[in-house]
Amino acid sequence: AQSVTQLGSHVSVSEGALVLLRCNYSSSVPPYLFWYVQYPNQGLQLLLKYTSAATLVKGINGFEAEFKKSETSFHLTKPSAHMSDAAEYFCAVSEWGGKLIFGQGTELSVKP
Amino acid sequence: NAGVTQTPKFQVLKTGQSMTLQCAQDMNHNSMYWYRQDPGMGLRLIYYSASEGTTDKGEVPNGYNVSRLNKREFSLRLESAAPSQTSVYFCASSEEGQGDQPQHFGDGTRLSIL
Repeated sequence: AQSVTQLGSHVSVSEGALVLLRCNYSSSVPPYLFWYVQYPNQGLQLLLKYTSAATLVKGINGFEAEFKKSETSFHLTKPSAHMSDAAEYFCAVSEWGGKLIFGQGTELSVKP
Repeated sequence: NAGVTQTPKFQVLKTGQSMTLQCAQDMNHNSMYWYRQDPGMGLRLIYYSASEGTTDKGEVPNGYNVSRLNKREFSLRLESAAPSQTSVYFCASSEEGQGDQPQHFGDGTRLSIL
């Protein structure tokens, strides 16, 4: 069965600092991988997705993620954090047919 | 541009009461999903519907039933609510695919069971 592990339930960075949110997956076949963001009292919004076209995927709001098969990782990065990036971030892997398996989530705090 | 609409947004129930959570999408998607979100556990799939007329169990289906009323609507029913079902419930939809299509989420229903 596929699974997703997000390292760190809470990450805190200063405004302008690098954001790095870690995600590792287990899958017996090349996966489809997603990052979603959830702002308070809202649903999830798609940040970016990996579907094997390119290992470095660019998303919205300056975020990007790199698929590394050898490390079974799909870490999310942003060069410079902004206060508006404070939210909860979820990594997910897709099973055949479209069902998503989510990680536990990482709450990002941005300090001024 | 509504996307996925969930009603109600908030609900408080007593143990043993029943209720139905409603979900509708206007994107002509074939697939629809119900998740629950609990602190530290991410989102877990309750039921899903790959297409109109079909439904299947997800990871945590016990205590729930679903109905795919038509292509637009997918409802979730709690027949006899229990405190363990206190959670935030999300409905999502996606185009039919092989897992590469992103899901679009509603804003959730916050359900408390006393």
